[in-house]
Amino acid sequence: DSGVTQTPKHLITATGQRVTLRCSPRSGDLSVYWYQQSLDQGLQFLIQYYNGEERAKGNILERFSAQQFPDLHSELNLSSLELGDSALYFCASSGRDNEQFFGPGTRLTVL
Amino acid sequence: AQTVTQSQPEMSVQEAETVTLSCTYDTSESDYYLFWYKQPPSRQMILVIRQEAYKQQNATENRFSVNFQKAAKSFSLKISDSQLGDAAMYFCAYRSATRDMRFGAGTRLTVKP
Repeated sequence: DSGVTQTPKHLITATGQRVTLRCSPRSGDLSVYWYQQSLDQGLQFLIQYYNGEERAKGNILERFSAQQFPDLHSELNLSSLELGDSALYFCASSGRDNEQFFGPGTRLTVL
Repeated sequence: AQTVTQSQPEMSVQEAETVTLSCTYDTSESDYYLFWYKQPPSRQMILVIRQEAYKQQNATENRFSVNFQKAAKSFSLKISDSQLGDAAMYFCAYRSATRDMRFGAGTRLTVKP
């Protein structure tokens, strides 16, 4: 158990819909990262937050947005969903040791 | 931009034997970190080993060790005494000082009994 929690574990929705994925980092970690992993592919970095502020941005679509709240949990919002958005979405957190700890992921299926 | 290349989509090893997974990366930075992550069928990402670029000594974690060649920008993972539980996808990852992590495409390791 990495200490990072993600909800929900599975999400099935339809094209055009909007969903919110939630992540709670390890206790004390200020940084949260979001990744997307499509089937049998590597992880694509989406976005990083540090103590509530956006720190780095990767290949995140304009239809996607994220935020980190004062209690340090983070949410990834995906809107106008397309079939190609079906993937495993990982959240990771890190502290001063620079090591990222991954949550179990949320599997999103868009029908 | 930093890129990470894993040239072996699949590898196979006999149980108890040794296997080496390759990884190269491209960067112009001098301060960075390298990681190997394991992803079993459960899809959980598990950190196997890490290496700080400023350290010349190769990292070792039990049966896992790396061969870090900074000048060649190479970071291979050696698994000794392979076990059935080592079967998984292995991802090489690079993280810059700005903490933006990049992953390779992965190598699927099969362990034969």
